[in-house]
Parts: sequence; structure tokens; C-alpha cells
Amino acid sequence: QAVLTQPASLSASPGASASLTCTLRSGINVGMQRIYWYQQKPGSPPQYLLRYKSDLDKNQGSGVPSRFSGSKDASANAGILVISGLQSEDEADYYCMIWHSNVVVFGGGTKLTVL
Amino acid sequence: QVQLVESGGGVVQSGRSLRLSCATSGFIFNNYGFHWVRQAPGKGLEWVGVIWFDGSDEYYPDSVKGRFTISRDSSKNTVYLQMNTLRAEDTAVYYCVRRWGDGMDVWGRGTSVTVSS
Repeated sequence: QAVLTQPASLSASPGASASLTCTLRSGINVGMQRIYWYQQKPGSPPQYLLRYKSDLDKNQGSGVPSRFSGSKDASANAGILVISGLQSEDEADYYCMIWHSNVVVFGGGTKLTVL
Repeated sequence: QVQLVESGGGVVQSGRSLRLSCATSGFIFNNYGFHWVRQAPGKGLEWVGVIWFDGSDEYYPDSVKGRFTISRDSSKNTVYLQMNTLRAEDTAVYYCVRRWGDGMDVWGRGTSVTVSS
């Protein structure tokens, strides 16, 4: 079982909201983890979006619109990236990441299509 | 502005070595650790290793442990990735990324490495 699992793809309409999930492997408690989110557009390096552990421990990347926010679903042991008011420019690959047991782990990424 | 610029990529034969460089500017080098992250063609992100801000510690995934080594030179504000015994599966774009907290924030544009058999 992978440490971080992301759905391979997600489609949503312009103006709608999209919730991208990052499910942690059983035994790794999402409540204890800071989850980092990155956006990557074709031909460009990833860019830091935000970090979320709790409403008291979170950070928004410089210049990242407030349309992007983080949350968690403890019952699903998952971190969530919420993008509201979807725009065509939000079409990209999104990766979650954690630091766990002295290693960095990335999720497999979600390709978000806005159509 | 904060910049990380990778160099040193290219085509190399399987079993040979290559050293990548990451020149940094726009921030206090000695205050930060650095990661290397790679991305094979059409694939996701894979972490390659990290060096602490003072060089006191390094960590690597099993896929490169014993073959790859990260170092840093504060006189040049530069981070290095020494890659030995290269394999075809090491073919990827390699990114240098600034460590921030227990994550990473600023990414370079990457340098491409192709390992030919």
C-alpha cells in the first residue's frame, strides 16, 4: 500500500469547487502530519501552494490565491486541497507531500482538468 | 529574488557518474537545507535526498542510497548531487528545492539527465 494515495484524475467545471484528496496509509495519522501541496503545469517545475496541518498550523505560498485552501478528513485519514471558483489556469497536476520517518514522500499526483 | 539554478545534466552511459550543481541566490544560504527531487518522463515526483542547513545530516531513499551523495559549499552558495553507478531508471529531470520546515518551497527549473545503455 502506497504511503500517500491520490486519485489519478479529476474533472470539474469552471466556477465550481474541486476537492483533491491525499489519503495516508493506515498507521500514519493524518492529524499528526503537515501536508504540503504543489502545482505543476506542463513544461514547468512544481510550485509550492500551501501547507496544512490544522487551522492553527497552516501556510499559504507567496502569491497563491485564497481560492486554494487545505483541510483534512480525519475519518478518511486524508488531507484535502480545495480549489474554489475554478479557472482554466488551474488545470494542472497536483502533488501532496509529507515528511515521515526521515524521508520525503510524494503522492502519485492528480491531474485536474477544468472543462 | 530567490533563485535556484541547476546545471550539469546531460547524456551519460549506464554505470558512469555525473555531478549536478545547484547555484543559489537571493537568500541566506547557510540558513537552509536543500532537497533534490526527480521526475522521470511522464511520471510523478520522486524524492532523491536532503542535506541539512549545516551539512550535519543527509537522508536518502533506498532507490539511491549508497549511489547518490548530496554536498554543499557555502563559499559558492552551491549544492551538489553526486550520482554514481547510474542506471537507465535514473533518467529524469532533477530539481533542486529549498528545504522549508519539514517540507520544501522554492524549486529550480531542473536539469535533464539521460542514462543510456
